[in-house]
Amino acid sequence: NAGVTQTPKFQVLKTGQSMTLQCAQDMNHNSMYWYRQDPGMGLRLIYYSASEGTTDKGEVPNGYNVSRLNKREFSLRLESAAPSQTSVYFCASSEATGSYNQPQHFGDGTRLSIL
Amino acid sequence: GENVEQHPSTLSVQEGDSAVIKCTYSDSASNYFPWYKQELGKRPQLIIDIRSNVGEKKDQRIAVTLNKTAKHFSLHITETQPEDSAVYFCALDRGSTLGRLYFGRGTQLTVWP
Repeated sequence: NAGVTQTPKFQVLKTGQSMTLQCAQDMNHNSMYWYRQDPGMGLRLIYYSASEGTTDKGEVPNGYNVSRLNKREFSLRLESAAPSQTSVYFCASSEATGSYNQPQHFGDGTRLSIL
Repeated sequence: GENVEQHPSTLSVQEGDSAVIKCTYSDSASNYFPWYKQELGKRPQLIIDIRSNVGEKKDQRIAVTLNKTAKHFSLHITETQPEDSAVYFCALDRGSTLGRLYFGRGTQLTVWP
């Protein structure tokens, strides 16, 4: 039982390049999330997927797109990377259903640098 | 505006002392209040959570208290140890948005031996 798995762990891109960050969970959770973490800013939500087939914007969605490929997988895409997107990206999942929220479980993160 | 404010941003204590971190919020519909610990270079990990129908919860050296009237909740760590050194985040939900958590900006706790 691996929990939440993110790939890659590290990546360096040049401005304007594109890439996709992958996330998979094996806990059969309904909800999945993408956060970015910058010094002093805490965890800011980029996009989330409350259930398979749905996605919604979070606090900082500009410059990103997401795909909920199936119940297990939720990918984050940077179409044209900018230096401001240099950050640590965390994927998370939870079994949030109805009106009852549950803990979120995080992956190990992807450290992304845009030059 | 801010969904949740967390204080202090940094906290240094001597080993064996207690540490308290406080978060305040504005949405009276919030029902779920987790706390996460993040060691340097690691993922955030849940350490304790509380729901709105409970005023206090303890797990060994860690406790969380909730005051719904005043809209604040606090993390209490007793008998601190150097391995408690980490960044701690509070979080909460909002009644209007299922599954989404709003995080404080974090508290860097340093425990000196």
